[in-house]
This record gives sequence, structure tokens and C-alpha cells, in this order.
Amino acid sequence: QSVLTQPPSVSGAPGQRVTISCTGSSSNIGAGYAVHWYQQLPGTAPKLLIYGNDNRPSGVPDRFSGSKSGTSASLAITGLQAEDEADYHCQSFDSSLSEEVFGGGTKLTVL
Amino acid sequence: EVQLVESGGGLVQPGGSLRVSCAASGFTVSSNYMSWVRQAPGKGLEWVSVIYSGGNTYYADFVKGRFTISRDNSQNTLYLQMKSLRPEDTAVYYCVSHANGGYYDSWGQGTLVTVSS
Repeated sequence: QSVLTQPPSVSGAPGQRVTISCTGSSSNIGAGYAVHWYQQLPGTAPKLLIYGNDNRPSGVPDRFSGSKSGTSASLAITGLQAEDEADYHCQSFDSSLSEEVFGGGTKLTVL
Repeated sequence: EVQLVESGGGLVQPGGSLRVSCAASGFTVSSNYMSWVRQAPGKGLEWVSVIYSGGNTYYADFVKGRFTISRDNSQNTLYLQMKSLRPEDTAVYYCVSHANGGYYDSWGQGTLVTVSS
């Protein structure tokens, strides 16, 4: 079981908005450590999607946004497109473990 | 352009050893924090080990004493030496570079390590 908790799957129709949650604890997200998100297209390596809670690397569409509150973070995707179908992973740092930790990943299906 | 290319994965018997490599281009491995992150089939991502620019190394508890991270500055290459391998070590191993802020800004394509008899 992963230190950060994500829903195993979410789905939405093209054009809709979906959110993916990432729930941690007082030793990671709740302690103020930043949350980062990665997109993993089928059969490929993960790619940085959001860093520092709510920052997009150059080239990432503004349809993707991140937020953080308390011990949780969220990734929102608006205007859902077929090419957004992928696995999404959250990451933060845990002070109790003194290591980077991940969520279990969420599979996004575009209906 | 930053590029990370892993190699060396394969099939190994339980209790065996294997060394995977990560050749870097477009930046200097020794000037960056570098990690190995793995992903078991159908599972999430899992941090394995890190080597800091100063040379300090750290490991996840589940590989401590069995895996060794190192780098060859002359070859600009990162390594992960794995011994006493277990079936649960079966995974794709990714080489990643750290950006300031603790996130992984570049990923290799991964190399599959399968531990099975």
C-alpha cells in the first residue's frame, strides 16, 4: 500500500472536467511538502505534469492544473481529450520515512 | 536536450545479481541528484535509491544492504548494482534526474528486471 492514496480509476466523457485526489498525512502533504504529478501514457515512462503543487512545465496545456489543501492535493483536467487517457501519479516527500513517496496511481479513462 | 538511456535489464534467478546502467546526455550526472524509481507490473511508482551531487547515497528500506547506487563521472553514467534479488524486485527500473524542488524532471525509458526461476 502506498503512502499517498489515490483512487484506482476515474473516467469522464470528452470535454468534461475530472479531478484526481491524492491524500496524505501530517508527515508529508500536511507537513507542507510540495506535491508533484506525473502522466504516464500507455507503455511509456512517466512525464512531469505538475510540479510544486500548481506549476506546469513548459509544453503542458493549461487544461491541467494542480492544487493542495491540508493533507490532500488534487489534479484537475478540463476539456477532457482522448489523448489524456493515461495513468496519473502523485509524489511528495515524507519526513517520517525521509524519502520521496508516491501514490498508487490513477487510471483515467476517456469514455 | 536531456536524455537518459537505461540498459542492462533482463531475467535473473532469485538470489542472483544484476547491474543496470543509465547513460546520460545533455547534462552532467555528477552535478545533479539522481535516483532510481521502479514500477512493478500493474503497480504504482516506488522510489529505490538516490545519489546526491556530493556523493551521499540513500536507499529504500526494502533494498538496503542489497542494492548499491553509483556513478561513473568519466562516462556520465549512473548505475544500480542489485544482489540477492527477490521475485518482488521484478519491475521496470527508471533512471530519473531531480530538479530543485524535489521533483523528477527527466525520466529514462526504463529497463525491465525480471526475477524468476
